[in-house]
Amino acid sequence: DTAVSQTPKYLVTQMGNDKSIKCEQNLGHDTMYWYKQDSKKFLKIMFSYNNKELIINETVPNRFSPKSPDKAHLNLHINSLELGDSAVYFCASSQDLASQPQHFGDGTRLSIL
Amino acid sequence: QKEVEQDPGPLSVPEGAIVSLNCTYSNSAFQYFMWYRQYSRKGPELLMYTYSSGNKEDGRFTAQVDKSSKYISLFIRDSQPSDSATYLCAMIRAPYSGGGADGLTFGKGTHLIIQP
Repeated sequence: DTAVSQTPKYLVTQMGNDKSIKCEQNLGHDTMYWYKQDSKKFLKIMFSYNNKELIINETVPNRFSPKSPDKAHLNLHINSLELGDSAVYFCASSQDLASQPQHFGDGTRLSIL
Repeated sequence: QKEVEQDPGPLSVPEGAIVSLNCTYSNSAFQYFMWYRQYSRKGPELLMYTYSSGNKEDGRFTAQVDKSSKYISLFIRDSQPSDSATYLCAMIRAPYSGGGADGLTFGKGTHLIIQP
């Protein structure tokens, strides 16, 4: 069984559209994260979410809105997609905010046309 | 100065060689150190996880942390072609200083090629 799974794996869409990416973890972890990997392969934190409570990363545009229906799921909704949003988005989880390490999903490859 | 520096490579070595990968960092608040392996079109896979300074060994992999020098290393013994991948170092502050909320700080990754 995949510990952290993301859907879809690939997402191709037009500029200006709204899209969502879903993430689920079956590890029983309390904390989940979204990371962005840009074209230069650099991974950077976007959000961390602990037990359904959002911990905001202020460098992320407010077009990006994470939502956690329960602590096993963390979805990422993106409004008004821009060309610069093209990247690979990774979901990760850890036992809780005080614990490491983090375990990653296989990513969602978002391409904006 | 970037928080975490890592040579992107590529680093090409013959099969069976000992591989040495390393990262330097500038933030002395980092307490937890990780090495991830990432194959093409896959997510980062945790290899090694260490807390503070010291060594940790797991099979063919050894991780070293020298906090006084702000330098971490990953050694791979008896390297195999299947070890060819990008290796990412990552680190985070202690939770009592907000580390969990920060998320991991990554190096840019070293692309490793093991030649058969």
